[in-house]
Amino acid sequence: AQKVTQAQTEISVVEKEDVTLDCVYETRDTTYYLFWYKQPPSGELVFLIRRNSFDEQNEISGRYSWNFQKSTSSFNFTITASQVVDSAVYFCALSGINDYKLSFGAGTTVTVRA
Amino acid sequence: EPEVTQTPSHQVTQMGQEVILRCVPISNHLYFYWYRQILGQKVEFLVSFYNNEISEKSEIFDDQFSVERPDGSNFTLKIRSTKLEDSAMYFCASMQDRGLSYEQYFGPGTRLTVT
Repeated sequence: AQKVTQAQTEISVVEKEDVTLDCVYETRDTTYYLFWYKQPPSGELVFLIRRNSFDEQNEISGRYSWNFQKSTSSFNFTITASQVVDSAVYFCALSGINDYKLSFGAGTTVTVRA
Repeated sequence: EPEVTQTPSHQVTQMGQEVILRCVPISNHLYFYWYRQILGQKVEFLVSFYNNEISEKSEIFDDQFSVERPDGSNFTLKIRSTKLEDSAMYFCASMQDRGLSYEQYFGPGTRLTVT
C-alpha cells in the first residue's frame, strides 16, 4: 500500500518569507514517482513537478525547489520569497508503475499575507 | 496547449438520482482516471481505465459507479443512485502512454452537490 503524509495542515507566512512543505511517503515499490500539485482557490489541480525514484537530484524552478531524500522517504518543497499568489493548497502525491494511479497526501494550506 | 475538459462545472441533483459526469481527455492519451475530493479533504483515487476496461478501482468505486468511453473521445463517470455523501469535486485526468510521460493532466473538475 502506498501512503503519503503531509504533517503540516496549514502554514501562514508574510510575503517574501520562505516556506517549506514537508512530504513523507511509504511504498513497497522499488520504482515509483513523486509529484507536487498546487490547488489555488479556484479549485483546479496544477502540476508542479514529478520525480523518479531513481533520480535523487534536487531541482530548482524559479522560486520553487524540491529536496528528494530516498533515505528518509521525503520529498520536500520550498517556496523562496513567497508571494500572495502562492496562497493555495499544495498536495504531495505518489504513484507506482502499474497503472500510475496517484495517492495524495492530505494537503498543506499555505497562506501568504501581504 | 491541449487540455482535459469536464462538463458540467457544477451539477446539483437530488438524492437517488442518476448523474453522468463527462470528460474529454487529451486526444493522444491512453490512460484515464477519475478522482474525487470531498470539500476540505484530500484527493482520492476512484478508478483507472486503459484499453477500454477498468484497470484498477478503489473501495469507493462500488456498484453505484461505472465508467465508459462511449465514442473514443468522451470518458464518463456515472453514479447510478446518488447519496448525500457523493457530494464532492470530481476530477478527470488523462496520461499519455507510459514511457513517454508519467504526468497526469487534470481537468478543472465537476462540483457535484447532492441534496
